[in-house]
Amino acid sequence: SQQGEEDPQALSIQEGENATMNCSYKTSINNLQWYRQNSGRGLVHLILIRSNEREKHSGRLRVTLDTSKKSSSLLITASRAADTASYFCATDPTPTGANSKLTFGKGITLSVRP
Amino acid sequence: DARVTQTPRHKVTEMGQEVTMRCQPILGHNTVFWYRQTMMQGLELLAYFRNRAPLDDSGMPKDRFSAEMPDATLATLKIQPSEPRDSAVYFCASGPGQAPHQPQHFGDGTRLSIL
Repeated sequence: SQQGEEDPQALSIQEGENATMNCSYKTSINNLQWYRQNSGRGLVHLILIRSNEREKHSGRLRVTLDTSKKSSSLLITASRAADTASYFCATDPTPTGANSKLTFGKGITLSVRP
Repeated sequence: DARVTQTPRHKVTEMGQEVTMRCQPILGHNTVFWYRQTMMQGLELLAYFRNRAPLDDSGMPKDRFSAEMPDATLATLKIQPSEPRDSAVYFCASGPGQAPHQPQHFGDGTRLSIL
C-alpha cells in the first residue's frame, strides 16, 4: 500500500486563492518531500522537511509536518495559473538502511483557474 | 541547469518486441532510480543503483525486465518480451550519494505504448 496518501485527490481554485494539500503516512520517517509534476513532464522537487522540523517555507510554499499525527500539509499562497499541476508527497522511512527508498503517494491534481 | 536525459521520449511497439529505454543521470550523481507511472498504480519504484551497483530491484518483474548501468553516464531499462500491460510512463531519476534522503532529479520520462 502507499506510504503517503494525499488529500484531496483533486482541487480546483481561482487564481489568487490559497491551495492547501494534505498528506498522511503510516510509518516513522526521516524526512518528507513534496514534488510537482506538470503535464507530460517529470517530477520536480519542491521542498524537503526533516522529521525534527515542524514548518518550512520556500517562496510561496509553506510545508508543515506533524509527526504525532503522521501528516504533512503543503500550502501554496496567492496561486497562479502556472501552479496547475499534480503534487506528490514522498516519504523517506526509518529505519535508515542501504536500501532505503522514497515512497510516493498518488498525487493531488491542482487546477488554478485564471 | 543540469538535467536527467531520457531517450526515447515516446515509444510505440507491438507486443513481444524488445524495448530499451536509456537514461543519462546528472553528472556527479551516483544514485539512479527507475520508476513506472500509471493512472492505476501511481509511481512505482522498479529498481535503483548506487555507484552503478543494483541496490534494490524488488519492484521489477524479473522474468522480462532488466536494468543495468554500463557506465556512470548511462542507465538502461529493458523489457523483453514486452506486453500491453507494460504500457506506462517510465521515469529515471538521479540523486547525490545520500539519495533518497536527498531530493531526486527526474527526467521527463519515456511514454511507452505496447500494442
